[in-house]
Amino acid sequence: GENVEQHPSTLSVQEGDSAVIKCTYSDSASNYFPWYKQELGKRPQLIIDIRSNVGEKKDQRIAVTLNKTAKHFSLHITETQPEDSAVYFCAASTSAQAGTALIFGKGTTLSVSS
Amino acid sequence: DSGVTQTPKHLITATGQRVTLRCSPRSGDLSVYWYQQSLDQGLQFLIQYYNGEERAKGNILERFSAQQFPDLHSELNLSSLELGDSALYFCASSVMVASFHEQFFGPGTRLTVL
Repeated sequence: GENVEQHPSTLSVQEGDSAVIKCTYSDSASNYFPWYKQELGKRPQLIIDIRSNVGEKKDQRIAVTLNKTAKHFSLHITETQPEDSAVYFCAASTSAQAGTALIFGKGTTLSVSS
Repeated sequence: DSGVTQTPKHLITATGQRVTLRCSPRSGDLSVYWYQQSLDQGLQFLIQYYNGEERAKGNILERFSAQQFPDLHSELNLSSLELGDSALYFCASSVMVASFHEQFFGPGTRLTVL
């Protein structure tokens, strides 16, 4: 089955700096890669996603890149702000009419200090 | 608010007991997913239902079972509870079964087994 590795497990940056979180996946059939943000005590919320036919996607200060050959994808947050502090999870999934599951990485705790 | 509701919010019980967690998906969503979140294992996929039928299964223990009812709400039954079952249990829903559709997470049920 699919396995997703996520690094680093913790990341501390100064406000205004960039943050990069990297994930690798094992199943070459995976074709959908969402990123979720989870604030303390709250539910995970989708912040950006990318499909396997796209190499990069941007949404304001957030971008995701995908390298299918190397089976890795990354989240880039620019101009970080204190409210970006949270746990970020990457995930991989296979689109299948029979059923699908998000396989998550173990998460990265991002701390942005002002 | 994602539109996904889960009850109860908190549940405290003893080892060996059985509990039922309930989830109501967003209006119009046919697919329901259950995830377990613990400190050491992160977010783990348990099971997926689509329009009443089981569609995908993760590392769900035999002591756990789930179903989706005709009104599309879902229940996760946990029996013979052990201390290690203490975790946050999330339900998520999406429109369709394929992975490209965003999964919206509920607020979770925190289960404590004493």
